[in-house]
Amino acid sequence: QKEVEQNSGPLSVPEGAIASLNCTYSDRGSQSFFWYRQYSGKSPELIMFIYSNGDKEDGRFTAQLNKASQYVSLLIRDSQPSDSATYLCAVKVGGFKTIFGAGTRLFVKA
Amino acid sequence: ETGVTQTPRHLVMGMTNKKSLKCEQHLGHNAMYWYKQSAKKPLELMFVYNFKEQTENNSVPSRFSPECPNSSHLFLHLHTLQPEDSALYLCASSQEASSNYEQYFGPGTRLTVT
Repeated sequence: QKEVEQNSGPLSVPEGAIASLNCTYSDRGSQSFFWYRQYSGKSPELIMFIYSNGDKEDGRFTAQLNKASQYVSLLIRDSQPSDSATYLCAVKVGGFKTIFGAGTRLFVKA
Repeated sequence: ETGVTQTPRHLVMGMTNKKSLKCEQHLGHNAMYWYKQSAKKPLELMFVYNFKEQTENNSVPSRFSPECPNSSHLFLHLHTLQPEDSALYLCASSQEASSNYEQYFGPGTRLTVT
C-alpha cells in the first residue's frame, strides 16, 4: 500500500514566523511532488510542485525534497493569517495515480 | 476561478435515487479525475481518464459509474448509494495523466445520502 503521511496538526505559528510542514512517502520510485492548500469548505488549490532533490522557492513558499529520505516539506516565510488552511501533500506514484496525504492544518495567529 | 466547474454544488438523495454529477474543464486538458473527500480522511482517487480512456478504477463500488464523452466533460452516475457515500466529490483535470503535470480542482459537489 503506497502511502503519504502528514502530521494532522493543528500547527500554530505567530504572524510573521516561518511555518514548516512535513510529508513522508513510501514509494521510493515516486517522481513528482505537489503541495496544495485547502481552505475550509473550498477545493484544493496548487501552491507548488517539485521534481528534483533540493529546494525550490516561489515567493514566500519553499518546497524541499529529499528522495533518499523520502521526505518533502513546505516552508512558509512571513506567515500571514490568510495562510491559515489545510495543506495537502500529494505524490505521483507512477502510472496515472496521485496519492494525497490527509493534510496538516495550519493556524497563523495575528 | 480554476477553469473547472462542477454541478450541482450540493445534492441530497435517497438511497434508491439515481443522480449524476457533472464536471467540465475549460483548460484544454486531456486528463480528468474523480476524487472523494470524507471528513478527516485523505482525498481518495476514484477514477482517472486520460484522452477519454479510463486508466484507473481505484476499486470503486459499481454503484458509482463514470462517463467521459470527451476530454472536457466528465460525469459520475450514482445509483443505490449508501449513507457512507456522503462526502465531497471533487473533479480535477491536468494536461495529461501519465506525466508529472499538476491537477486543477473544481469546487466540488457536496453529496448527502439519506
